[in-house]
Amino acid sequence: QSVLTQPPSVSAAPGQKVTISCSGSSSNIGNNYVSWYQHLPGTAPKLLIYEDNKRPSGIPDRFSGSKSGTSATLGITGLQTGDEADYYCGTWDSSLSLLVFGGGTKLTVL
Amino acid sequence: QVHLVQSGAEVKKPGASVKVSCKASGYTFTSYGISWVRQAPGQGLEWMGWINAYNANTNYAQNLQGRVTMTTDTSTSTAYMELRSLRSDDTAVYYCARASGTFAFDIWGQGTMVTVS
Repeated sequence: QSVLTQPPSVSAAPGQKVTISCSGSSSNIGNNYVSWYQHLPGTAPKLLIYEDNKRPSGIPDRFSGSKSGTSATLGITGLQTGDEADYYCGTWDSSLSLLVFGGGTKLTVL
Repeated sequence: QVHLVQSGAEVKKPGASVKVSCKASGYTFTSYGISWVRQAPGQGLEWMGWINAYNANTNYAQNLQGRVTMTTDTSTSTAYMELRSLRSDDTAVYYCARASGTFAFDIWGQGTMVTVS
């Protein structure tokens, strides 16, 4: 059972928008920065969002991050078949002294 | 180009130890930390710990305390993760990742499959 809660799966059609939620508590999301990662099978995870809403260079602006209270959200617009992957949120948990990940959300582009 | 290149796949027997290497290039090694993250088959990502490449301070996940040791060799810009007393549930792909001050992992190694059987 992950400290951070993500939906197991989301789906949408090509060109549409999808959001992936990540719910935590005051000891993690509420007081620490959130990162988001894209993980395709057989490859290394890729950083999409850091410090809640910043994109590393090379990440298209179709990907966005936001945070409110103890929840964070990853948004992806203009969905492409190449976006099919597992997505993970991650943050520091000050009570556990541990970096925690969500359980992951599998995105299907129908 | 910034890269992290890991050592190759390992097969170990229960009770043995494994040491995975992670060689950095393209940046100043001591300016960042290195975290280790693993993914067991069919499971999500699990953070194992972190080492400050500048002063070698470490922070390990509590469930691995006593079994894991993370080290660095600044002369070769290489990080190492050793896991001892291996069990079958340690079978996983092990990744090293460059860690920023806010624990965002912006560069990842290609992964090392460790099979305990």
